[in-house]
Amino acid sequence: EAGVAQSPRYKIIEKRQSVAFWCNPISGHATLYWYQQILGQGPKLLIQFQNNGVVDDSQLPKDRFSAERLKGVDSTLKIQPAKLEDSAVYLCASSPPLAGVYEQYFGPGTRLTVT
Amino acid sequence: AQTVTQSQPEMSVQEAETVTLSCTYDTSESDYYLFWYKQPPSRQMILVIRQEAYKQQNATENRFSVNFQKAAKSFSLKISDSQLGDAAMYFCAYRPPSNTGKLIFGQGTTLQVKP
Repeated sequence: EAGVAQSPRYKIIEKRQSVAFWCNPISGHATLYWYQQILGQGPKLLIQFQNNGVVDDSQLPKDRFSAERLKGVDSTLKIQPAKLEDSAVYLCASSPPLAGVYEQYFGPGTRLTVT
Repeated sequence: AQTVTQSQPEMSVQEAETVTLSCTYDTSESDYYLFWYKQPPSRQMILVIRQEAYKQQNATENRFSVNFQKAAKSFSLKISDSQLGDAAMYFCAYRPPSNTGKLIFGQGTTLQVKP
């Protein structure tokens, strides 16, 4: 079974530029999560999708961050304009559609450096 | 709001010995789920073990076991017969009982395994 795919793996941009990250979840996984992991900290949820609908985006800085999940499969996370404090690893995760204690499967992440 | 605290930023253990990583959490819920995730330097987050709060029996997965103390809101991870491949960052995570599946992570503990 293929895992969660993310691209790019690394990205360096200057502040005020825009950037986009892509995630392809495991086939059949209805729920998709984007986490932000700042160096030395645990991941923090930015947004969660159930199929192509948003379940939780309470911690997404909506003035600069946006995300979409087209057709309930792939997802993109965009930052525009980027700030220095956006430097972090952005992790995508997915989980199966059934309720219960199902683990979240994480991708390798995208390391963003804003200079 | 729920919080997860890992008070040990770094731990070290001799190969083949046993180490315990600590985690405490705060919640007013009676039903929830707890997890330990491992994050090697490659950044791929991997589930190590999970515990349902309604179960009194501590979870065990091969060399990994937990000590779940619900009243004390404590959830420690014991790694027996430590191996060099166990070296990684370990995160304790809490999931509320709702179907949203949002994980709340602690700050992480870096485990070093000495040969």
